[in-house]
Amino acid sequence: QQQVKQSPQSLIVQKGGISIINCAYENTAFDYFPWYQQFPGKGPALLIAIRPDVSEKKEGRFTISFNKSAKQFSLHIMDSQPGDSATYFCAARSGSARQLTFGSGTQLTVLP
Amino acid sequence: DGGITQSPKYLFRKEGQNVTLSCEQNLNHDAMYWYRQDPGQGLRLIYYSQIVNDFQKGDIAEGYSVSREKKESFPLTVTSAQKNPTAFYLCASSMASGTSYEQYFGPGTRLTVT
Repeated sequence: QQQVKQSPQSLIVQKGGISIINCAYENTAFDYFPWYQQFPGKGPALLIAIRPDVSEKKEGRFTISFNKSAKQFSLHIMDSQPGDSATYFCAARSGSARQLTFGSGTQLTVLP
Repeated sequence: DGGITQSPKYLFRKEGQNVTLSCEQNLNHDAMYWYRQDPGQGLRLIYYSQIVNDFQKGDIAEGYSVSREKKESFPLTVTSAQKNPTAFYLCASSMASGTSYEQYFGPGTRLTVT
């Protein structure tokens, strides 16, 4: 019940295209859903996050869509750029603890 | 500059040896975490600490030990009991209370045991 399932494992997109990464969870106690971006050999960095009281959050080219009833959330990267090529992790946190449960990651490659 | 430092970036050890990974933060965060990252498995929590002199086991604590003697430091020891120690190890920190949930990560230490 603590798992967060992420798909796809890898994604190749042309420059200018839309990248979509999906995550699903079971634990209804999760109350914070961040996305992290990680470049090779570096630590992850927070990209964007959402609380379950909103259905969408947009920051620049990055948008989180959240479907509470389906227990799913997704990251959309508009106008994808080669510099977006990285591994993306979704995560979820329950209110009772400060630990994050991470998805397995998606390796995004944006072709020039 | 505020942030999290991990040293060394690369570490090599022979099987059977204990090794300690360093993690220091100057963000004045109360909570600190250790994660292990393996290809295709995301980040898995090893140990976490919400306050000095206290820490809790995460999902994969077997074969690891930690200490939290100072707020800014949270070293991780990979013992010889850890069956598959070769991995990328990440340290993170966050506020322990309030509305900010963000975890800040260090640059990681890649440990290779042969």
